[in-house]
Amino acid sequence: SQQGEEDPQALSIQEGENATMNCSYKTSINNLQWYRQNSGRGLVHLILIRSNEREKHSGRLRVTLDTSKKSSSLLITASRAADTASYFCATALSGNTPLVFGKGTRLSVIA
Amino acid sequence: GAGVSQSPSNKVTEKGKDVELRCDPISGHTALYWYRQSLGQGLEFLIYFQGNSAPDKSGLPSDRFSAERTGGSVSTLTIQRTQQEDSAVYLCASSPTRTGGNEKLFFGSGTQLSVL
Repeated sequence: SQQGEEDPQALSIQEGENATMNCSYKTSINNLQWYRQNSGRGLVHLILIRSNEREKHSGRLRVTLDTSKKSSSLLITASRAADTASYFCATALSGNTPLVFGKGTRLSVIA
Repeated sequence: GAGVSQSPSNKVTEKGKDVELRCDPISGHTALYWYRQSLGQGLEFLIYFQGNSAPDKSGLPSDRFSAERTGGSVSTLTIQRTQQEDSAVYLCASSPTRTGGNEKLFFGSGTQLSVL
């Protein structure tokens, strides 16, 4: 399957530091998305990067995509305690296939 | 409402009972997904409704699980003869067009199902 797998499973950093999370997937994809989940309930979309893009920015977030390595990374700069959450990558083979999520990285930002 | 609405937010049931979980997507959204998340785990895809096309049911774990979407809007996920391993948070999400894989999803807050 094209399911993404995040690495590391858990990450603990000090406020102000940068946090990097990685996602690897198995097959060619149409796009890759990152989501955040607080308190184990609804997910919030962060950023979508298409297969023909290599890097994308949104505020303190930076996402890269390397289709040759089938991997993506999410960088959160100058982290804050409020960034504490689980972060998931999700991939789709095409526009007509469902998004499949990885198991997530649990990020803890310590004030 | 402005977002995806799920009800109930919590459901406790006894093993062997049937349960129905409801999802109201954002008005006008044509793609609707159901996912399941066990404690501390990732999201497990269950079913995907894409406009008027036949739903993708490839993620349903057994024939005890079924879902329908009436009038292209509200969806109901039904679990028959619930088992303890069905305990999880059931999440619904929608996206604006039928090409759901190309767009971001908007998630509801989920239904926490506990089977005793």
